[in-house]
Amino acid sequence: GAVVSQHPSRVICKSGTSVKIECRSLDFQATTMFWYRQFPKQSLMLMATSNEGSKATYEQGVEKDKFLINHASLTLSTLTVTSAHPEDSSFYICSARVGGALTDTQYFGPGTRLTVL
Amino acid sequence: GENVEQHPSTLSVQEGDSAVIKCTYSDSASNYFPWYKQELGKRPQLIIDIRSNVGEKKDQRIAVTLNKTAKHFSLHITETQPEDSAVYFCAARDSSYKLIFGSGTRLLVRP
Repeated sequence: GAVVSQHPSRVICKSGTSVKIECRSLDFQATTMFWYRQFPKQSLMLMATSNEGSKATYEQGVEKDKFLINHASLTLSTLTVTSAHPEDSSFYICSARVGGALTDTQYFGPGTRLTVL
Repeated sequence: GENVEQHPSTLSVQEGDSAVIKCTYSDSASNYFPWYKQELGKRPQLIIDIRSNVGEKKDQRIAVTLNKTAKHFSLHITETQPEDSAVYFCAARDSSYKLIFGSGTRLLVRP
């Protein structure tokens, strides 16, 4: 089946620093990846759609200058949380779209738990 | 945009009983409805999905039904087992391939 990896699995950083999270599709090429954040005991909230070779599309209310997304290849998308603050602490999960228009689905990475001190 | 509502928020059943989780969606253009199971601290795992050209799909103890007219779909788990305990999310995919998730159902299967 389709495998999506994320790195790192958890990170603790000081307020004001930037953190980069990688999302990789291991056994397939993904033209589209998605980034979500999930607070404890809550649902997944879509942050942005990452398309290979083009700019990401951000959901309403998500600051594009704070959450930088780069989809430089068909197997890698990165999310950089810039100038992180404690309120950015969350579980960040990526997913990759697999298949064609009538058969596609999404598989999720294992998530990255970010703690900002 | 698409909006997905999910009920109930928590569900407790006795082992061996059935569990049903229901979702409604708002955008009639949505055509793909996956269900994910998420254990604490883990990734959401796709357990079953259905597309708008079918009304029902079954995979062993799990089934999903879709009513396009009413814009609702349901997850049915039969013969529940303790390992079915987790949070279940429904989702609807809109025309831009984005998944919009329901609020989740915490299922507890009592041994």
